[in-house]
Amino acid sequence: DQQVKQNSPSLSVQEGRISILNCDYTNSMFDYFLWYKKYPAEGPTFLISISSIKDKNEDGRFTVFLNKSAKHLSLHIVPSQPGDSAVYFCAASEGSYIPTFGRGTSLIVHP
Amino acid sequence: GAGVSQTPSNKVTEKGKYVELRCDPISGHTALYWYRQSLGQGPEFLIYFQGTGAADDSGLPNDRFFAVRPEGSVSTLKIQRTERGDSAVYLCASARLPGEQETQYFGPGTRLLVL
Repeated sequence: DQQVKQNSPSLSVQEGRISILNCDYTNSMFDYFLWYKKYPAEGPTFLISISSIKDKNEDGRFTVFLNKSAKHLSLHIVPSQPGDSAVYFCAASEGSYIPTFGRGTSLIVHP
Repeated sequence: GAGVSQTPSNKVTEKGKYVELRCDPISGHTALYWYRQSLGQGPEFLIYFQGTGAADDSGLPNDRFFAVRPEGSVSTLKIQRTERGDSAVYLCASARLPGEQETQYFGPGTRLLVL
């Protein structure tokens, strides 16, 4: 039973356009959410996070939106760049404890 | 400074054999985590060390899996009587302090293939 779901295994976007990656969760105890980026043959690296007391967090080209009532979050990348091509993992945790990861979405940004 | 390193990078073994996977965390990081990432899945938590002790081993799938961190630095994940279903990428991560998820640095992983 997946508690963190990324229903789109892949996403293809043109360079310069917006990339929107979605994530849903089922555990209402989750109150901290993170996005990780992973290149081939490397480990995941932390990208951006959001606490449940917020509904938006922005860091440069990356913005995460949280809709607690829908148990849904999304990562927006604007503008998308070819170097953003990677697998993106959504993760959620109770407090600062060990996160539960989704299956990932593979983003391809075409030049 | 160096990041988290894991050795070997790839390991091929036969069903029933014993394997050891090593993780060298970032110097000074007290928290160390092991995850397993099967094909098409996200990282799945296995065990977490705070210093030398296993603070949470609830993710270990069965008693064939064991991990140690005797001096609070390097950790070894041990798998006995390997099965084909153990084939996965085994990821290690370390953090300066527990709960610092944003500064949880992952290693590149060990790709284990059990034939």
